[in-house]
Amino acid sequence: DAGVTQSPTHLIKTRGQQVTLRCSPKSGHDTVSWYQQALGQGPQFIFQYYEEEERQRGNFPDRFSGHQFPNYSSELNVNALLLGDSALYLCASSWDRAQETQYFGPGTRLLVL
Amino acid sequence: AQSVTQLGSHVSVSEGALVLLRCNYSSSVPPYLFWYVQYPNQGLQLLLKYTSAATLVKGINGFEAEFKKSETSFHLTKPSAHMSDAAEYFCAVSDPTSGTYKYIFGTGTRLKVLA
Repeated sequence: DAGVTQSPTHLIKTRGQQVTLRCSPKSGHDTVSWYQQALGQGPQFIFQYYEEEERQRGNFPDRFSGHQFPNYSSELNVNALLLGDSALYLCASSWDRAQETQYFGPGTRLLVL
Repeated sequence: AQSVTQLGSHVSVSEGALVLLRCNYSSSVPPYLFWYVQYPNQGLQLLLKYTSAATLVKGINGFEAEFKKSETSFHLTKPSAHMSDAAEYFCAVSDPTSGTYKYIFGTGTRLKVLA
């Protein structure tokens, strides 16, 4: 049973560019949440997707957007990258009927120069 | 609003000694609580969770935690530390009435195990 997978594993971008990160949830899961983990910090909730819609959003600007596909996979898009967007981006999946437990992927490490 | 405080950003213990990582939470509703472990350059792995059943929760790798409502605490313990326990540990809280169960994480505690 494959767990949560994310791609790419690492990414280097320059300020002002746009980036797309991808996540495939654990088999049987239908809900995807995204978190940003800055160096030395705990993860912070960006948003959650369920039934292809954004269900809740954390305190992140509109430069951060997402999408969920019919197969439950998800993308996180960040526009107009800032140096401060450098972080580990974690995807977590869960089953809507047992949402309390989220399973995390290995993350995508984004470096903005 | 919910929040989590992890006391001690770095904890060192000798191999075989007791591990105690502290977590205090703030929540206006009965919370769900979690401990995750993160090894270098990896994602988060669930150690254990409290979801309003037994207050003493046993997890993987010999870890356990006790929910104490009166102290608003959910400290993580392990009787005997092993070298492989060296990692970063995160406590998280979620609101089971929110509909999304988004996690609020603490800032983490880095555990070092000394030979």
